[in-house]
Amino acid sequence: DAGVIQSPRHEVTEMGQEVTLRCKPISGHNSLFWYRQTMMRGLELLIYFNNNVPIDDSGMPEDRFSAKMPNASFSTLKIQPSEPRDSAVYFCASQEGELFFGEGSRLTVL
Amino acid sequence: AQSVTQLDSQVPVFEEAPVELRCNYSSSVSVYLFWYVQYPNQGLQLLLKYLSGSTLVKGINGFEAEFNKSQTSFHLRKPSVHISDTAEYFCAVSRFDSWGKLQFGAGTQVVVTP
Repeated sequence: DAGVIQSPRHEVTEMGQEVTLRCKPISGHNSLFWYRQTMMRGLELLIYFNNNVPIDDSGMPEDRFSAKMPNASFSTLKIQPSEPRDSAVYFCASQEGELFFGEGSRLTVL
Repeated sequence: AQSVTQLDSQVPVFEEAPVELRCNYSSSVSVYLFWYVQYPNQGLQLLLKYLSGSTLVKGINGFEAEFNKSQTSFHLRKPSVHISDTAEYFCAVSRFDSWGKLQFGAGTQVVVTP
């Protein structure tokens, strides 16, 4: 299996632009998680889905952030409009027992 | 709510020497405990986990950890490190009923030198 696949790996954008991060979980995994990693706050859970349904989005920082999982093999995390403080590495992880992390999407908002 | 404290932000160690990374947690409910490793520009990989049973847990790459309930600790050890163990290590906890909702510590950077 290819593991959890995230795209893009790197994104540089300007403040105010829309950003969409994508994730393909491991086939057969029923739960999907979005985490964010920053120097200041470390690793924090943003949102997670179970069987494509959002279960807990209490970690989503504000209304500029939204996440969807239209089917079992795809999820998106969208930031609109983006701000410099959103600069971080965003990880997607899928779960069967343990969590399997993707390699992350490094976002830089100028 | 749970919290995790990793007591060392950076640990320098010589190759073939032992290393211990310290982790303390607090929680009002029973938890699962994890150690993850992150190599540069990569995602996190599970080293080991404690769910129940024996308090000494063995993981991949020669790592082991011991769960101490009375001291609320879950320290990670390796008897002899390699250069390739240079990475950041994260301790994490989760509630029994939500494995994937991990609360991470701040991380410990291990730098192995020859």
